[in-house]
Amino acid sequence: KAGVTQTPRYLIKTRGQQVTLSCSPISGHRSVSWYQQTPGQGLQFLFEYFSETQRNKGNFPGRFSGRQFSNSRSEMNVSTLELGDSALYLCASSPGRALTGTNEKLFFGSGTQLSVL
Amino acid sequence: AQSVAQPEDQVNVAEGNPLTVKCTYSVSGNPYLFWYVQYPNRGLQFLLKYITGDNLVKGSYGFEAEFNKSQTSFHLKKPSALVSDSALYFCAVRSMEYGNKLVFGAGTILRVKS
Repeated sequence: KAGVTQTPRYLIKTRGQQVTLSCSPISGHRSVSWYQQTPGQGLQFLFEYFSETQRNKGNFPGRFSGRQFSNSRSEMNVSTLELGDSALYLCASSPGRALTGTNEKLFFGSGTQLSVL
Repeated sequence: AQSVAQPEDQVNVAEGNPLTVKCTYSVSGNPYLFWYVQYPNRGLQFLLKYITGDNLVKGSYGFEAEFNKSQTSFHLKKPSALVSDSALYFCAVRSMEYGNKLVFGAGTILRVKS
């Protein structure tokens, strides 16, 4: 079974631009979560989707948005990029046996390394 | 207060010696507790989780963790460290108190020297 796939692997953008990151979960998984990882802030939760519905959201500005498609693939978008958005963006999937939070383990992709110049 | 804390930025241990990576949590009720490991330029990999039941949880690669409710701790342990265990380790907690989000600690770098 293929793992969680994130594209692109690396991305370089300039301030003010927007970016879209893609995540394909493990086949059959219905829940997708996104995290931002930086050396200073560690792993920060962005959002969590289950069956195309956002069921949880972290404390990020509205410039950060996401969505999930009917095939469980997910995208996140960051508009008006700032230097501080430079980070490794990690996507994780889980089977998602229930709409509410569960004790399931997450399967992570290798991430998209975003550099904002 | 932080929902989950890893008090050590880095832990150094000699190969073959036991290792402990510490984690404490500060949520009420019965949290779900997890350990993940991250190797360079990779995503996180699940090691083990505590939901309920036996306080000693066994996981992947010979790791185990002990849940201690009175001390609100969930320390990761391994009886004999390997050089290949060198990585970044994250403790995480999921609790209704934090909206059921999976919240990660700051991470602890483990260095195992031969």
